[in-house]
Amino acid sequence: QKEVEQDPGPLSVPEGAIVSLNCTYSNSAFQYFMWYRQYSRKGPELLMYTYSSGNKEDGRFTAQVDKSSKYISLFIRDSQPSDSATYLCATPSGYALNFGKGTSLLVTP
Amino acid sequence: DADVTQTPRNRITKTGKRIMLECSQTKGHDRMYWYRQDPGLGLRLIYYSFDVKDINKGEISDGYSVSRQAQAKFSLSLESAIPNQTALYFCATSDWGGDTGELFFGEGSRLTVL
Repeated sequence: QKEVEQDPGPLSVPEGAIVSLNCTYSNSAFQYFMWYRQYSRKGPELLMYTYSSGNKEDGRFTAQVDKSSKYISLFIRDSQPSDSATYLCATPSGYALNFGKGTSLLVTP
Repeated sequence: DADVTQTPRNRITKTGKRIMLECSQTKGHDRMYWYRQDPGLGLRLIYYSFDVKDINKGEISDGYSVSRQAQAKFSLSLESAIPNQTALYFCATSDWGGDTGELFFGEGSRLTVL
C-alpha cells in the first residue's frame, strides 16, 4: 500500500464550479501535507502546505487536513480554465516526498 | 534561465543503449533527487543525494545509476535501456529546511525506449 493514495480522475468541471480534490494517507505520524500543481509539460510546483490538522486558505484555494480520518483535501472556489492541471498531494518521509498519483483536473469555459 | 535545468528534454532511444539524463541547478541546494512519472503510477523516487559524497537509492533504483559531479550537477544513467523505462523523468532540488521539504522541479526529460 502506498503511503499516500489519490484518485487519478480525470475530473472535468465547468468554469466557476467548486472543486474538491482528496487524498488519504496511511502513516499517522505525518505532520506536513502538501499540494503540488503540475501543468502539462511542466514540473510540479508547490501550491500549498498545511501542518497537522485544520484549514489553510490562500485566495481561491483551501487545504484541509483531518488527521482523525487521515484525509487531505484541496478545495478550489470559482474554478478557472487556468486551474486545469494535475494536482498531487504529498507528505515528507524524512528525506524525500511521498506523492499521490495526482488528479487530473479540466475546467471548461 | 530556469533554476533547475534538465537535458535532454526529449530523447528516443533503442533497447540496450546507454542513456544519460543531466540536471543542473542554480538554487544552491545541497539535496537533489531523480523521480520518474508514469501514467497511473505517479511520481516515484529513483535516487537522491544529500551532498556530493552522499548517494542513496530510492524505491525504484534497479536499472539506474547516478553521479553527483558537483553540488549543482546530478546525472541519471540507464546503462542498458529497456522499454519499461519509457517515462517522464524529473530532477528536483531541496534545501529541506525543517519538515516542510519543498522540492523544486525541472521541466522534465521525456524518454522513449523502443
